[in-house]
Amino acid sequence: GENVEQHPSTLSVQEGDSAVIKCTYSDSASNYFPWYKQELGKGPQLIIDIRSNVGEKKDQRIAVTLNKTAKHFSLHITETQPEDSAVYFCAASTYSGGGADGLTFGKGTHLIIQP
Amino acid sequence: DGGITQSPKYLFRKEGQNVTLSCEQNLNHDAMYWYRQDPGQGLRLIYYSQIVNDFQKGDIAEGYSVSREKKESFPLTVTSAQKNPTAFYLCASSTDRGRSKLFFGSGTQLSVL
Repeated sequence: GENVEQHPSTLSVQEGDSAVIKCTYSDSASNYFPWYKQELGKGPQLIIDIRSNVGEKKDQRIAVTLNKTAKHFSLHITETQPEDSAVYFCAASTYSGGGADGLTFGKGTHLIIQP
Repeated sequence: DGGITQSPKYLFRKEGQNVTLSCEQNLNHDAMYWYRQDPGQGLRLIYYSQIVNDFQKGDIAEGYSVSREKKESFPLTVTSAQKNPTAFYLCASSTDRGRSKLFFGSGTQLSVL
């Protein structure tokens, strides 16, 4: 089955700096890569996703890049703000109607924004 | 407002006791899911249901049971057979179309007394 590795487990950056979280996956058939943000005591919320026919996707201060050859994808957050502090999860799935039952999550990155 | 409601927020289980976690959604989503989250771990799938009266085991179904009698409701029972039940439990739903996008509830923290 799919295996998703996520690094680092904890990331501390100064407010205003950029943050990068990296994930690798093992199944070359995986074609859908979402990122979820989880604030303390809440459920995760989808913040951005990318499909395998696209190399990069951007939404305001966040962006995701995908390298299918190397089987890794990354989340980039620019101009970090205190509200970006949370746990971020990457995931991978073979989206062909299989739905979230085929979704494998990384172990999460605790992002800390230092004032 | 549409969303997913999990209750209770905190739950305590005694030795040998079964407990049931509630999950209700008013998003009109066909698919619903239960995940278990342990500290420093990712989300692991317990059970999922793509349609009423049907559900499938996920990666860690042992010691758990579910039912899907109504589209809106997907309760999870943690049985006494689950020897390590302390965890944060998350319910989620998705549309049948593009169902990889999950909408999560706020979770239930289950602890053992």
